[in-house]
Amino acid sequence: DAGVIQSPRHEVTEMGQEVTLRCKPISGHDYLFWYRQTMMRGLELLIYFNNNVPIDDSGMPEDRFSAKMPNASFSTLKIQPSEPRDSAVYFCASSLGGTFQPQHFGDGTRLSIL
Amino acid sequence: RKEVEQDPGPFNVPEGATVAFNCTYSNSASQSFFWYRQDCRKEPKLLMSVYSSGNEDGRFTAQLNRASQYISLLIRDSKLSDSATYLCVVNIPGSARQLTFGSGTQLTVLP
Repeated sequence: DAGVIQSPRHEVTEMGQEVTLRCKPISGHDYLFWYRQTMMRGLELLIYFNNNVPIDDSGMPEDRFSAKMPNASFSTLKIQPSEPRDSAVYFCASSLGGTFQPQHFGDGTRLSIL
Repeated sequence: RKEVEQDPGPFNVPEGATVAFNCTYSNSASQSFFWYRQDCRKEPKLLMSVYSSGNEDGRFTAQLNRASQYISLLIRDSKLSDSATYLCVVNIPGSARQLTFGSGTQLTVLP
């Protein structure tokens, strides 16, 4: 069975550029989560969707970050403009049923902003 | 007090040893508990759910202590391949933020 699929696996870009990260959740899952992980701050929840609707975006650092889920099988996380402090590993995860169910993670996107 | 707290370690143990980690949570109404493992530069992966009566999966045993509000993970006969960071995960009722991840406990199994 296909797991959560993220692209790209690695992204290196210069500050000020727009970055778009992509995620395809596990088919049938109704929750999708975006996380950021750094050594200093650990795993941070940025935003999550339920049935394609954003439920909690309080973890989004600032207006430079935006996320969309146009349909049940695709989501994007966009950073514009990017800054060096955005360098991190970004994970997408999905689950079926929310709070009482475990989340399944994609391989992550390793982002470096120069 | 943090919603979910773990001893960051590192725990360095010899191969074959038994090691245990605890994870405390602040909300007495929490009902969902999981252990994940994360290898270096990889994604977190579900290790096991934690049930009220405790549960076992091979060399791994998970326990829940509601009175003291902590969960534990016991690894018996540890293998080199058990070296990883172990994350506890707890739901926080009343929070829109679904499951909350601890910061992880680092385990290194030495030959």
